[in-house]
Amino acid sequence: EVQLVESGGGLVQPGRSLRLSCTASGFTFGDYLVSWFRQAPGKGLEWVGFIRSKAYGGTAEYAASVKGTFTISRDDSKSIAYLQMNSLKTEDTAMYYCTRSVGTGWPFDYWGRGTLVTVSS
Amino acid sequence: DIVMTQSPDSLAVSLGERATINCKSSQSVFYSSNNKNYLGWYQQKPGQPPKVLIYWASTRESGVPDRFSGSGSGTDFTLTISSLQAEDVAVYYCHQYYSPPYTFGQGTKLEIK
Repeated sequence: EVQLVESGGGLVQPGRSLRLSCTASGFTFGDYLVSWFRQAPGKGLEWVGFIRSKAYGGTAEYAASVKGTFTISRDDSKSIAYLQMNSLKTEDTAMYYCTRSVGTGWPFDYWGRGTLVTVSS
Repeated sequence: DIVMTQSPDSLAVSLGERATINCKSSQSVFYSSNNKNYLGWYQQKPGQPPKVLIYWASTRESGVPDRFSGSGSGTDFTLTISSLQAEDVAVYYCHQYYSPPYTFGQGTKLEIK
């Protein structure tokens, strides 16, 4: 069974950092692109960024709103993807979901249940 | 960026009746080389992650009831629920994965009349 489990969320002060993890199981993690999405309380869905599989260079792309402050990485040996979030702002408060797809231009078929990040003083 | 606009924002339909949600993209999400529309539909119930219903505009995800169908091409798309069931109460989102930044419609809240 395919599973994606996010962890690492919590309450953090503005300006601080947080690292989220996405632990995968039930499939060959290294063969897939991993993407992060977020959803602010009561709001819609927003793409944060993705990291390609090593077969496609392992490179990442980001939404303009997080470029330069968020970094996505992956450890295929552990089947884990990370979202490093620096210089957090109150507007980064959201549920963060990780997802997978075959590659760029493919749909996201499995989503984790999410981890909540609250940025507040 | 490709802007996705859904209509209506909310919808109330009687049980057993048809529900129709529209989605318009600011530019085409159709790729002629493979004849595919890079458009998906998601269902989200309170406290749950989004669940994919439809991808490539009209392909139903495995396990999704056949009362859900998607249609359209280019910039105009429709999600239809042929006979509304109580468990279909949710927010529905269209989503383009044609090019990053991947974007979503604002969501349509579907309720029972």
